[in-house]
Amino acid sequence: ETGVTQTPRHLVMGMTNKKSLKCEQHLGHNAMYWYKQSAKKPLELMFVYNFKEQTENNSVPSRFSPECPNSSHLFLHLHTLQPEDSALYLCASSQDRGDEQFFGPGTRLTVL
Amino acid sequence: QQQVKQSPQSLIVQKGGISIINCAYENTAFDYFPWYQQFPGKGPALLIAIRPDVSEKKEGRFTISFNKSAKQFSLHIMDSQPGDSATYFCAARTNRDDKIIFGKGTRLHILP
Repeated sequence: ETGVTQTPRHLVMGMTNKKSLKCEQHLGHNAMYWYKQSAKKPLELMFVYNFKEQTENNSVPSRFSPECPNSSHLFLHLHTLQPEDSALYLCASSQDRGDEQFFGPGTRLTVL
Repeated sequence: QQQVKQSPQSLIVQKGGISIINCAYENTAFDYFPWYQQFPGKGPALLIAIRPDVSEKKEGRFTISFNKSAKQFSLHIMDSQPGDSATYFCAARTNRDDKIIFGKGTRLHILP
Protein backbone atom coordinates (compact mmCIF):
# COMPACT_ATOMS: atom_id res chain seq x y z
CA GLU A 1 0.00 0.00 0.00
CA THR A 2 1.24 3.45 -0.82
CA GLY A 3 0.05 6.97 -0.10
CA VAL A 4 -3.00 7.52 2.06
CA THR A 5 -5.59 4.77 2.40
CA GLN A 6 -9.05 4.95 3.92
CA THR A 7 -11.48 2.24 4.99
CA PRO A 8 -14.25 1.59 4.47
CA ARG A 9 -14.81 3.28 1.12
CA HIS A 10 -18.57 3.28 1.60
CA LEU A 11 -20.62 3.21 4.80
CA VAL A 12 -24.34 3.30 5.42
CA MET A 13 -25.45 3.70 9.01
CA GLY A 14 -28.52 4.49 11.02
CA MET A 15 -28.69 7.42 13.39
CA THR A 16 -28.28 5.19 16.44
CA ASN A 17 -25.28 3.24 15.15
CA LYS A 18 -21.65 3.60 16.20
CA LYS A 19 -19.02 3.20 13.52
CA SER A 20 -15.42 4.21 12.88
CA LEU A 21 -13.56 5.45 9.83
CA LYS A 22 -9.90 4.51 9.46
CA CYS A 23 -7.08 6.33 7.73
CA GLU A 24 -3.52 5.13 7.27
CA GLN A 25 -0.66 6.99 5.66
CA HIS A 26 2.46 5.27 4.34
CA LEU A 27 4.40 8.45 3.62
CA GLY A 28 6.20 8.98 6.91
CA HIS A 29 4.30 12.21 7.51
CA ASN A 30 3.84 13.89 10.87
CA ALA A 31 0.53 15.66 10.37
CA MET A 32 -2.89 14.19 9.57
CA TYR A 33 -6.25 15.78 8.83
CA TRP A 34 -9.95 14.97 8.59
CA TYR A 35 -12.07 16.89 6.06
CA LYS A 36 -15.77 16.77 5.25
CA GLN A 37 -16.80 17.20 1.60
CA SER A 38 -20.46 17.92 0.94
CA ALA A 39 -22.07 18.66 -2.40
CA LYS A 40 -21.85 22.32 -3.43
CA LYS A 41 -19.85 23.28 -0.32
CA PRO A 42 -16.14 23.94 0.16
CA LEU A 43 -14.00 21.30 1.75
CA GLU A 44 -14.40 21.67 5.51
CA LEU A 45 -11.44 21.03 7.76
CA MET A 46 -12.58 19.10 10.83
CA PHE A 47 -9.51 18.05 12.80
CA VAL A 48 -5.74 18.39 12.61
CA TYR A 49 -3.19 16.19 14.34
CA ASN A 50 0.51 16.97 14.45
CA PHE A 51 2.84 14.36 15.98
CA LYS A 52 -0.26 12.57 17.37
CA GLU A 53 -1.45 15.68 19.18
CA GLN A 54 -4.70 17.35 18.18
CA THR A 55 -3.91 20.90 17.18
CA GLU A 56 -7.22 21.97 15.74
CA ASN A 57 -10.90 21.19 16.17
CA ASN A 58 -13.02 23.35 13.92
CA SER A 59 -16.15 23.47 16.08
CA VAL A 60 -17.04 19.93 15.11
CA PRO A 61 -20.02 18.39 16.94
CA SER A 62 -19.12 15.90 19.65
CA ARG A 63 -20.82 13.08 17.72
CA PHE A 64 -17.55 13.04 15.74
CA SER A 65 -14.63 11.85 17.84
CA PRO A 66 -11.12 11.63 16.37
CA GLU A 67 -8.33 9.38 17.56
CA CYS A 68 -4.68 9.37 16.50
CA PRO A 69 -2.78 6.50 18.16
CA ASN A 70 0.38 7.16 16.14
CA SER A 71 1.58 9.34 13.27
CA SER A 72 0.51 6.78 10.68
CA HIS A 73 -3.05 6.10 11.78
CA LEU A 74 -6.08 8.31 12.24
CA PHE A 75 -9.61 7.30 13.18
CA LEU A 76 -12.92 9.11 13.18
CA HIS A 77 -15.43 7.57 15.57
CA LEU A 78 -19.05 8.24 14.73
CA HIS A 79 -22.10 7.98 16.99
CA THR A 80 -25.69 9.23 16.86
CA LEU A 81 -25.14 10.97 13.55
CA GLN A 82 -27.74 12.99 11.68
CA PRO A 83 -28.78 12.65 8.02
CA GLU A 84 -27.06 15.98 7.28
CA ASP A 85 -23.78 14.34 8.25
CA SER A 86 -23.95 12.31 5.04
CA ALA A 87 -20.90 13.33 3.01
CA LEU A 88 -17.52 12.23 1.73
CA TYR A 89 -15.00 12.16 4.58
CA LEU A 90 -11.45 12.71 3.44
CA CYS A 91 -8.27 12.04 5.30
CA ALA A 92 -5.03 13.82 4.38
CA SER A 93 -1.47 13.91 5.60
CA SER A 94 1.51 16.20 5.22
CA GLN A 95 5.15 16.08 6.21
CA ASP A 96 4.63 18.85 8.72
CA ARG A 97 1.98 21.42 9.40
CA GLY A 98 1.68 23.80 6.49
CA ASP A 99 3.22 21.46 3.92
CA GLU A 100 1.48 20.05 0.87
CA GLN A 101 -1.31 17.71 1.85
CA PHE A 102 -1.86 14.29 0.30
CA PHE A 103 -5.44 13.06 0.34
CA GLY A 104 -6.91 9.59 0.62
CA PRO A 105 -9.81 8.45 -1.60
CA GLY A 106 -12.39 9.19 1.08
CA THR A 107 -15.22 7.32 2.77
CA ARG A 108 -18.68 7.95 1.34
CA LEU A 109 -20.95 8.06 4.40
CA THR A 110 -24.72 7.86 4.23
CA VAL A 111 -26.75 8.35 7.42
CA LEU A 112 -30.29 7.05 7.20
CA GLN B 1 -11.90 37.42 5.36
CA GLN B 2 -11.10 33.73 5.15
CA GLN B 3 -13.10 32.92 2.03
CA VAL B 4 -11.82 31.93 -1.35
CA LYS B 5 -14.45 32.57 -4.01
CA GLN B 6 -14.31 30.35 -7.07
CA SER B 7 -16.13 30.58 -10.40
CA PRO B 8 -17.69 29.20 -12.46
CA GLN B 9 -19.39 26.37 -10.61
CA SER B 10 -19.35 24.26 -13.76
CA LEU B 11 -17.68 24.58 -17.14
CA ILE B 12 -17.98 22.80 -20.46
CA VAL B 13 -15.16 23.17 -22.99
CA GLN B 14 -14.56 21.62 -26.37
CA LYS B 15 -11.55 19.35 -26.77
CA GLY B 16 -8.54 21.47 -27.69
CA GLY B 17 -9.99 24.61 -26.16
CA ILE B 18 -8.79 26.66 -23.20
CA SER B 19 -10.41 26.09 -19.80
CA ILE B 20 -10.29 29.03 -17.40
CA ILE B 21 -11.25 28.92 -13.73
CA ASN B 22 -11.11 32.02 -11.56
CA CYS B 23 -10.64 32.60 -7.86
CA ALA B 24 -10.63 35.66 -5.64
CA TYR B 25 -9.63 36.20 -2.04
CA GLU B 26 -9.69 38.92 0.61
CA ASN B 27 -7.09 37.91 3.17
CA THR B 28 -3.78 39.57 2.25
CA ALA B 29 -1.99 37.22 4.66
CA PHE B 30 -2.45 34.34 2.22
CA ASP B 31 0.89 33.56 0.64
CA TYR B 32 0.45 30.16 -0.98
CA PHE B 33 -2.17 29.34 -3.58
CA PRO B 34 -2.51 25.70 -4.66
CA TRP B 35 -4.90 24.18 -7.15
CA TYR B 36 -6.25 20.69 -6.57
CA GLN B 37 -7.74 18.28 -9.09
CA GLN B 38 -10.27 15.68 -8.02
CA PHE B 39 -11.52 12.79 -10.14
CA PRO B 40 -14.69 10.89 -9.19
CA GLY B 41 -14.02 8.36 -6.45
CA LYS B 42 -10.66 9.91 -5.61
CA GLY B 43 -9.42 12.45 -3.13
CA PRO B 44 -8.12 15.84 -4.30
CA ALA B 45 -4.55 15.88 -5.58
CA LEU B 46 -2.24 18.87 -5.82
CA LEU B 47 -2.03 20.01 -9.44
CA ILE B 48 0.01 23.21 -9.38
CA ALA B 49 0.70 25.98 -6.88
CA ILE B 50 1.97 29.55 -6.85
CA ARG B 51 3.31 32.07 -4.38
CA PRO B 52 2.46 35.77 -4.76
CA ASP B 53 5.98 36.85 -5.63
CA VAL B 54 5.42 35.67 -9.22
CA SER B 55 2.63 36.54 -11.64
CA GLU B 56 2.55 33.30 -13.57
CA LYS B 57 3.55 29.68 -13.22
CA LYS B 58 3.36 27.12 -15.98
CA GLU B 59 3.58 23.35 -15.80
CA GLY B 60 2.85 21.64 -19.07
CA ARG B 61 -0.63 22.59 -20.23
CA PHE B 62 -1.53 24.09 -16.83
CA THR B 63 -0.84 27.74 -16.01
CA ILE B 64 -1.66 29.81 -12.94
CA SER B 65 -1.99 33.54 -13.47
CA PHE B 66 -1.77 35.63 -10.31
CA ASN B 67 -2.83 39.26 -9.85
CA LYS B 68 -1.75 40.38 -6.39
CA SER B 69 -3.24 43.87 -6.58
CA ALA B 70 -6.63 42.51 -7.60
CA LYS B 71 -6.36 39.58 -5.18
CA GLN B 72 -7.29 37.20 -7.95
CA PHE B 73 -5.75 34.10 -9.46
CA SER B 74 -6.82 31.78 -12.21
CA LEU B 75 -6.08 28.37 -13.67
CA HIS B 76 -5.73 28.03 -17.44
CA ILE B 77 -5.75 24.60 -19.06
CA MET B 78 -4.46 24.81 -22.61
CA ASP B 79 -5.44 22.26 -25.29
CA SER B 80 -8.02 20.79 -22.91
CA GLN B 81 -8.48 17.02 -23.16
CA PRO B 82 -11.33 14.71 -22.10
CA GLY B 83 -8.98 13.30 -19.44
CA ASP B 84 -8.94 16.74 -17.82
CA SER B 85 -12.61 16.35 -16.92
CA ALA B 86 -12.64 16.60 -13.14
CA THR B 87 -13.47 18.97 -10.30
CA TYR B 88 -10.90 21.67 -9.67
CA PHE B 89 -10.45 23.48 -6.37
CA CYS B 90 -8.48 26.63 -5.81
CA ALA B 91 -7.17 27.15 -2.30
CA ALA B 92 -5.15 29.51 -0.18
CA ARG B 93 -3.06 29.23 2.94
CA THR B 94 -1.21 31.57 5.26
CA ASN B 95 2.39 30.90 6.08
CA ARG B 96 1.85 30.44 9.80
CA ASP B 97 -1.36 28.51 9.61
CA ASP B 98 -1.72 24.92 8.53
CA LYS B 99 -5.31 25.53 7.49
CA ILE B 100 -5.93 25.40 3.74
CA ILE B 101 -9.04 27.35 2.71
CA PHE B 102 -10.69 25.77 -0.32
CA GLY B 103 -12.98 27.28 -2.93
CA LYS B 104 -16.26 25.53 -3.66
CA GLY B 105 -14.89 23.82 -6.73
CA THR B 106 -15.50 23.89 -10.49
CA ARG B 107 -16.78 20.83 -12.28
CA LEU B 108 -15.04 20.80 -15.66
CA HIS B 109 -16.26 18.68 -18.56
CA ILE B 110 -14.27 18.48 -21.77
CA LEU B 111 -16.32 17.42 -24.77
CA PRO B 112 -14.60 14.83 -27.00
